[in-house]
Amino acid sequence: GNSVTQMEGPVTLSEEAFLTINCTYTATGYPSLFWYVQYPGEGLQLLLKATKADDKGSNKGFEATYRKETTSFHLEKGSVQVSDSAVYFCALRGGAAGNKLTFGGGTRVLVKP
Amino acid sequence: DGGITQSPKYLFRKEGQNVTLSCEQNLNHDAMYWYRQDPGQGLRLIYYSQIVNDFQKGDIAEGYSVSREKKESFPLTVTSAQKNPTAFYLCASSDSEANYGYTFGSGTRLTVV
Repeated sequence: GNSVTQMEGPVTLSEEAFLTINCTYTATGYPSLFWYVQYPGEGLQLLLKATKADDKGSNKGFEATYRKETTSFHLEKGSVQVSDSAVYFCALRGGAAGNKLTFGGGTRVLVKP
Repeated sequence: DGGITQSPKYLFRKEGQNVTLSCEQNLNHDAMYWYRQDPGQGLRLIYYSQIVNDFQKGDIAEGYSVSREKKESFPLTVTSAQKNPTAFYLCASSDSEANYGYTFGSGTRLTVV
């Protein structure tokens, strides 16, 4: 079946630092890939997505590229702000294992001023 | 604007009581989902429904029940059989296209007192 593995947190960094959160997946077929963000006490919001190999999703300064050869979808941001402090979830949907969304375990990011 | 609404935002339950969490969507989505999130943890699927009048157990269905009498609504009942119900509960909905992710509500925080 499908599975998603992302780096464990917490990731603590200073404002304006570069952020990378690694995400790798296991799936047969051609799933769509997603990053969600959860701010404290809130639900999950879709941050960005990519639906085929080599697609780059981007939003709010965040980017991730669908790399089929390495089965990865790493999230990056060049200069983080305190307001980026949140939990980030990598997820996939589709492929041969069906249509339910499969989540990684989440990575907590804390940005200090 | 279309969206998904969970209510109440906070809920307190006495030991031995059943409580029902509401989830309503006006996105015309066929599928709806309930997740449980414990502090610092990822998401665990409780129940899901892909069509009206049909639903399936997720990974942690024991002690919970659901109904899907209308497309727009998917209430979750936390029964007295659920031994540790204190958690953050998230409802989500989706259409059938794998290229799209899920839309999440803002969550209900349930506390047993």
